[in-house]
Amino acid sequence: DAGVTQSPTHLIKTRGQHVTLRCSPISGHKSVSWYQQVLGQGPQFIFQYYEKEERGRGNFPDRFSARQFPNYSSELNVNALLLGDSALYLCASSLTSGHLSGANVLTFGAGSRLTVL
Amino acid sequence: DAKTTQPNSMESNEEEPVHLPCNHSTISGTDYIHWYRQLPSQGPEYVIHGLTSNVNNRMASLAIAEDRKSSTLILHRATLRDAAVYYCIGRTSGSRLTFGEGTQLTVNP
Repeated sequence: DAGVTQSPTHLIKTRGQHVTLRCSPISGHKSVSWYQQVLGQGPQFIFQYYEKEERGRGNFPDRFSARQFPNYSSELNVNALLLGDSALYLCASSLTSGHLSGANVLTFGAGSRLTVL
Repeated sequence: DAKTTQPNSMESNEEEPVHLPCNHSTISGTDYIHWYRQLPSQGPEYVIHGLTSNVNNRMASLAIAEDRKSSTLILHRATLRDAAVYYCIGRTSGSRLTFGEGTQLTVNP
């Protein structure tokens, strides 16, 4: 079975540009979450979507947005890129939104490495 | 999510057991304890989770203190492939995971 797939794996942008990152969850998983991991730190939560609705948002500016499609894949968009947006962007999928249980397990993709020059 | 505290780094020798500690003194009665690990150049990988009882799976064992204020991830025989950053997370409901800085495990051959 395919795991969580993300694209592109690496990309380089310049300040002020826009970027779109894509994620395909594990088949049957309806929840997708996005995390940002700056070098040397643990991942930080950005968004969670379940059944195409936003279910959670972390402490990130409005330049960050996301959406989930009917096939449960997802896009993360970042506008007006800053140098500080350089990071590994991780997508994770799970079967449920997890609202009913803290036992919900997430499966992560390998990430998209964004470098902003 | 409950705040967790882990050592920054630990070292082990290959084929020896490894005990990775985690303190979570503010954990609530319904928070699960999750462990994920992150190998170099990969996304985090689920290892194990538990609520009150000790848990075993093919990857590791999780020993949870009776008062639930601490737990220990046990790798029974460390291999070089186990070298990674290990994250302990006190997980409330919802899909948000709050990662700390984790423990960097080095396995010596």
